[in-house]
Amino acid sequence: KQEVTQIPAALSVPEGENLVLNCSFTDSAIYNLQWFRQDPGKGLTSLLLIQSSQREQTSGRLNASLDKSSGRSTLYIAASQPGDSATYLCAAPGSGAGSYQLTFGKGTKLSVIP
Amino acid sequence: NAGVMQNPRHLVRRRGQEARLRCSPMKGHSHVYWYRQLPEEGLKFMVYLQKENIIDESGMPKERFSAEFPKEGPSILRIQQVVRGDSAAYFCASSLTGGHNQPQHFGDGTRLSIL
Repeated sequence: KQEVTQIPAALSVPEGENLVLNCSFTDSAIYNLQWFRQDPGKGLTSLLLIQSSQREQTSGRLNASLDKSSGRSTLYIAASQPGDSATYLCAAPGSGAGSYQLTFGKGTKLSVIP
Repeated sequence: NAGVMQNPRHLVRRRGQEARLRCSPMKGHSHVYWYRQLPEEGLKFMVYLQKENIIDESGMPKERFSAEFPKEGPSILRIQQVVRGDSAAYFCASSLTGGHNQPQHFGDGTRLSIL
């Protein structure tokens, strides 16, 4: 059974700082891994999807890496802005027949201070 | 907007009543997933449906909960005789196919509050 852990649970940084969010998963036989953003009272916005054959994926100021062998993924945010304040969720699918079931971490709540 | 549409956004029910949550997938998507987010918890998978078929309901409570995705119309998550512990945010996601490389696109959720 897939388990996903995210650390830290909360992070507060000054505007302009680069930061890294961490995600670990127990079942490394995954096809992909997704990072989402969740704003208070809102749904999930997909940020990046990394396929198992990729080691990283970039979108604007965001860069996500995937290391299946160690069961880890990181989300790097460059030059953080107050608008980046949100909860960031990591989600890994199960392996085999249950690969459509996403298992989510509890998230990292990011606050970027102006 | 061709995104995943969920309604209502907020739903208040008294204990013992029924709750019906609706989800219209993205245009062209025929695969729907329901997840539940309890307070201070991560999202948990509940059920996976294709048109007119339940593929996997392993994450759904055995009693009081049911889901359907008819040939026409939205997917419905139905909770009968609601209890306080059902208070949560319920999210629907859809994908183009059921393939493992297909990203799931999420709606804004329904916040269910039980009085």
